[in-house]
Amino acid sequence: DQQVKQNSPSLSVQEGRISILNCDYTNSMFDYFLWYKKYPAEGPTFLISISSIKDKNEDGRFTVFLNKSAKHLSLHIVPSQPGDSAVYFCAASRNTPLVFGKGTRLSVIA
Amino acid sequence: DAGVIQSPRHEVTEMGQEVTLRCKPISGHDYLFWYRQTMMRGLELLIYFNNNVPIDDSGMPEDRFSAKMPNASFSTLKIQPSEPRDSAVYFCASTSGGRAAGELFFGEGSRLTVL
Repeated sequence: DQQVKQNSPSLSVQEGRISILNCDYTNSMFDYFLWYKKYPAEGPTFLISISSIKDKNEDGRFTVFLNKSAKHLSLHIVPSQPGDSAVYFCAASRNTPLVFGKGTRLSVIA
Repeated sequence: DAGVIQSPRHEVTEMGQEVTLRCKPISGHDYLFWYRQTMMRGLELLIYFNNNVPIDDSGMPEDRFSAKMPNASFSTLKIQPSEPRDSAVYFCASTSGGRAAGELFFGEGSRLTVL
C-alpha cells in the first residue's frame, strides 16, 4: 500500500502561471514532509520542506502548504519557468527514512 | 565538496549475471540509503545503514539482493543472479544529523538494464 500518493503523473503549465502539485498521505504519524525535484539522468535534489507544526513554508517562488486534517500537501510554484520542468517527488517521514510518492512530471511551456 | 558518488552510471547485463553497484557517501554523513526507481513503484527504499550498520533491509526484494557497508566511505549493492525485472535506476543517498529523516543527498544513480 502506498503511504504517499501523487495522483497526477503529469502536469503542463504555461510559463509565468502558477504550478500546483499535490500529494496525499495516509500515515497520520508523519511529521515531516519534503519535496524533491529531479531532472533526467540526475539524482533527486531537495527543494523545500515543512514540519507538521506549520501549515505553510515559503522559499522564493516555491511554497508548500500542509493540511493535516486532510492529510494533504501541495507545492506551489509561481511564476513557473521553463527550468522548472522536471519530476517532482513528495516525501514524508517520522524520524524514519523518507517515503516517496511516485512523482509528478511538470512541463512548463514557454 | 563532492556529492554522493555512484558507479557505474550505466550497466547492461544478461540475466543470471552478478551485478555490483557502488556508492561513496558524502564525507561525515552517518546515514546511507539505497533506493530503487521504477515507473510502477516510484522511489522505493531498499535498505539503509547508520554508522555502517544495516538498520532496515525489509525493502530488499528477495535474497538475490544484498548490501554491505564495510566502512564509512563505501557501500555496495549486489544482485546475484540478476533478472530482467531488476531493471531500474538505483540511487544511493546519504544524510547526517542524527536522524534517518531529513534532507537526503542523492547520487546521480546507476541505471541497470538486465536483458
